[in-house]
Amino acid sequence: AQSVSQHNHHVILSEAASLELGCNYSYGGTVNLFWYVQYPGQHLQLLLKYFSGDPLVKGIKGFEAEFIKSKFSFNLRKPSVQWSDTAEYFCAVNPGWGKLQFGAGTQVVVTP
Amino acid sequence: DTGVSQDPRHKITKRGQNVTFRCDPISEHNRLYWYRQTLGQGPEFLTYFQNEAQLEKSRLLSDRFSAERPKGSFSTLEIQRTEQGDSAMYLCASSWGQGSLASYNEQFFGPGTRLTVL
Repeated sequence: AQSVSQHNHHVILSEAASLELGCNYSYGGTVNLFWYVQYPGQHLQLLLKYFSGDPLVKGIKGFEAEFIKSKFSFNLRKPSVQWSDTAEYFCAVNPGWGKLQFGAGTQVVVTP
Repeated sequence: DTGVSQDPRHKITKRGQNVTFRCDPISEHNRLYWYRQTLGQGPEFLTYFQNEAQLEKSRLLSDRFSAERPKGSFSTLEIQRTEQGDSAMYLCASSWGQGSLASYNEQFFGPGTRLTVL
């Protein structure tokens, strides 16, 4: 079955630590890839997206993600997190025609 | 605020009752999506519209669920004969796009309607 997997459900780290969240998908063919974030009490919002070209994409707030086609992965990274990065992060795949399939999400808590 | 809005934000109902939710998308967006999110899971696709046409429905959407977008603007999602398993956050999103080009346009999400079925 087609799926999106996020490796960690909860991550706790200290400010200034580096963050990497894994995402793997099981679709064949061309897909468009997204990372969304939900800060406490706020709507889901887009962090970054990939659909073609440079497999290293940069998003808002210092986040970046790397698409590795051979590994069906789209991992999210940030070199140095801040307390304000505490949020839930969702990887999503759009296999075409518009609908998104989301992973289960990773709750990230950044401690001061 | 010109983002996606949803009403109501919270709904508590008794099992067997009907409920209706409304979504107002960003005005220039032609696509409107409904998703459902339960605790500990990511949003799951339910259905989407391009203008007033409903283009796809998930198998998650039983015949107790119906969605409309009568004039290609706002949309309603109705659940008939609610069950406790319907308790979830119902999210609406909108975007702009045509055909396969729509697949990489950002979807803008609303705040959701939290449904609790007692």
